[in-house]
Amino acid sequence: DAKTTQPTSMDCAEGRAANLPCNHSTISGNEYVYWYRQIHSQGPQYIIHGLKNNETNEMASLIITEDRKSSTLILPHATLRDTAVYYCIVRVAGTASKLTFGTGTRLQVTL
Amino acid sequence: NAGVTQTPKFQVLKTGQSMTLQCAQDMNHEYMSWYRQDPGMGLRLIHYSVGAGITDQGEVPNGYNVSRSTTEDFPLRLLSAAPSQTSVYFCASGGGRPYNEQFFGPGTRLTVL
Repeated sequence: DAKTTQPTSMDCAEGRAANLPCNHSTISGNEYVYWYRQIHSQGPQYIIHGLKNNETNEMASLIITEDRKSSTLILPHATLRDTAVYYCIVRVAGTASKLTFGTGTRLQVTL
Repeated sequence: NAGVTQTPKFQVLKTGQSMTLQCAQDMNHEYMSWYRQDPGMGLRLIHYSVGAGITDQGEVPNGYNVSRSTTEDFPLRLLSAAPSQTSVYFCASGGGRPYNEQFFGPGTRLTVL
């Protein structure tokens, strides 16, 4: 699976949009981009995934560049409860789900 | 649905002791897996299973055994606990094609003295 690169930490004011970048320059054509988050010491929580089109659900939006070498997770109106570590993961579709977690981005939402 | 459940939540062992961490899911998922997370690090895959009777090794399998006799249960056995196995252990399950979403349990915090 392709390796990903994320900033170590980011801050965001409550109510503002949080934009979390991820680089995956070696991504293959059959690899999806997944985002999970881990709040405090809880189990990771799935947020969203995409292949090449932009995706949106009730939690977030995922913007994937046309060359698929990078993506951005957008939390449109961050709240204090969104403070967490966010993991960007690239995985081949259709295989046993070996999610490879890096160290992620620690997002701190402040008042 | 209870989702993914793990027991116990906390455990303290002495070096050399053995124990089993329990994991169960009620979503009829084919795929189940075990991860460990050390302080300040991401999760690392220990073992996984794509269905009853089928298991395979992940990134850090040494010192751990698994079995999958039913779809619902996927226990993780520590054969002879070592201080290096002090960690938080997460179980996860996933279903559907191609395993789009995985659900994680609340974790078991294990300390080996």
